[in-house]
Amino acid sequence: DAGVIQSPRHEVTEMGQEVTLRCKPISGHDYLFWYRQTMMRGLELLIYFNNNVPIDDSGMPEDRFSAKMPNASFSNLKIQPSEPRDSAVYFCASSSGQPHEQFFGPGTRLTVL
Amino acid sequence: GEDVEQSLFLSVREGDSSVINCTYTDSSSTYLYWYKQEPGAGLQLLTYIFSNMDMKQDQRLTVLLNKKDKHLSLRIADTQTGDSAIYFCASRPGSQGNLIFGKGTKLSVKP
Repeated sequence: DAGVIQSPRHEVTEMGQEVTLRCKPISGHDYLFWYRQTMMRGLELLIYFNNNVPIDDSGMPEDRFSAKMPNASFSNLKIQPSEPRDSAVYFCASSSGQPHEQFFGPGTRLTVL
Repeated sequence: GEDVEQSLFLSVREGDSSVINCTYTDSSSTYLYWYKQEPGAGLQLLTYIFSNMDMKQDQRLTVLLNKKDKHLSLRIADTQTGDSAIYFCASRPGSQGNLIFGKGTKLSVKP
């Protein structure tokens, strides 16, 4: 298996633009997680899905952020409009069954100018 | 809510043992994990321990769990420069699907 796939790996955009981050989980995994990592705040859980259904989105910073999982093999995270403080590395992870170890993707480094 | 705490930095000399400590608050945690993050990469699972165990050994890695004190440690024997990375402790509360991560301990290995 190729592991968790994220695209793009790097994204540079200007303030106010819409940003879409994409994730393909490992085939057969029924949990999908979106995290954000910054130097100041460390690793933050934004939202997670189970069987394509959002379970906990309490970590989503504000209404500018939205995430969907239309099917078991794809999820996206959108930021509209983007702001410089959204600059971070965004990770997607997936897991399934015991012991629920999460497999992380390589991350998308987002820079908002 | 649930919390996982770990010290932010640890520096050791090559060949010495490293011990990274972690405390967690949720007594219902079923599994506890150690992840490693190298620069520019995602987190990679190193090892995990089930809550009814008190020790797990895997080559140079030894995990100790003190469930009474809610304390987890990771010992790396014969630490190498390639072990330099950030190490995250995580717990899985009860029956939830998510993990609670600590802020990570940056391990620096000096030659």
